[in-house]
Amino acid sequence: EVQVLESGGDLVQPGGSLRLSCAASGFIVSNYAVSWIRQAPGKGLEWVSALTSAAGPDYADSVKGRFTLSRDNSKNTVYLQMNYLTAEDTATYYCAKERSSAPNYLDPWGQGTLVTVSS
Amino acid sequence: DIQMTQSPSSLSAFVGDRVTITCRASQYISHSLNWYQQRPGKAPKLLIYAASTLQGGVPSRFTGSGSGTDFTLTISDLQPEDSAVYYCQESYTPRWAFGQGTKVEIK
Repeated sequence: EVQVLESGGDLVQPGGSLRLSCAASGFIVSNYAVSWIRQAPGKGLEWVSALTSAAGPDYADSVKGRFTLSRDNSKNTVYLQMNYLTAEDTATYYCAKERSSAPNYLDPWGQGTLVTVSS
Repeated sequence: DIQMTQSPSSLSAFVGDRVTITCRASQYISHSLNWYQQRPGKAPKLLIYAASTLQGGVPSRFTGSGSGTDFTLTISDLQPEDSAVYYCQESYTPRWAFGQGTKVEIK
């Protein structure tokens, strides 16, 4: 069964850093793109970043320069390093596997991990 | 960047009703439109991809249509478990945009 599982969410102070993990099972992360999508409390979905197998990482303007994607093929895991966090980054962060070919879509999604930025 | 606009923002209907949600893209996206369902406290779940293809395991009462810039999601014979927020999402560009969501409530 294809699954992704996020971890690493926590309470962090403004200006702090956090690393989220997205552990994959049932597929090889180096062969597929994995996206991160966040949802602020009571709000809608916002695409944050994606790590593709061919084109490398891409980021939303709101996080570019602060967030960095990486991948550990030996652990079949994708990481989202988040630096210089602000209150606007408070959200549940989901990772999701992309189909990675047309037509493209996100499936499955993980259960999400909560990041709270507050002093 | 592409903007996705859904309407209505919320609706309330009876079990057995037929409801329709619309999604409009700010520019042409061909058939690159997906629909997701998010039940309270849960992660989003893929319902329909490529505008009209039902994901495996999704009940046939869900149908999608449209192309270009205008799309619809129809739920026929609304069931209590369909109470959720529904999001459209374009996959035409690398930086995918989501609609703001439509909350479906059961009367």
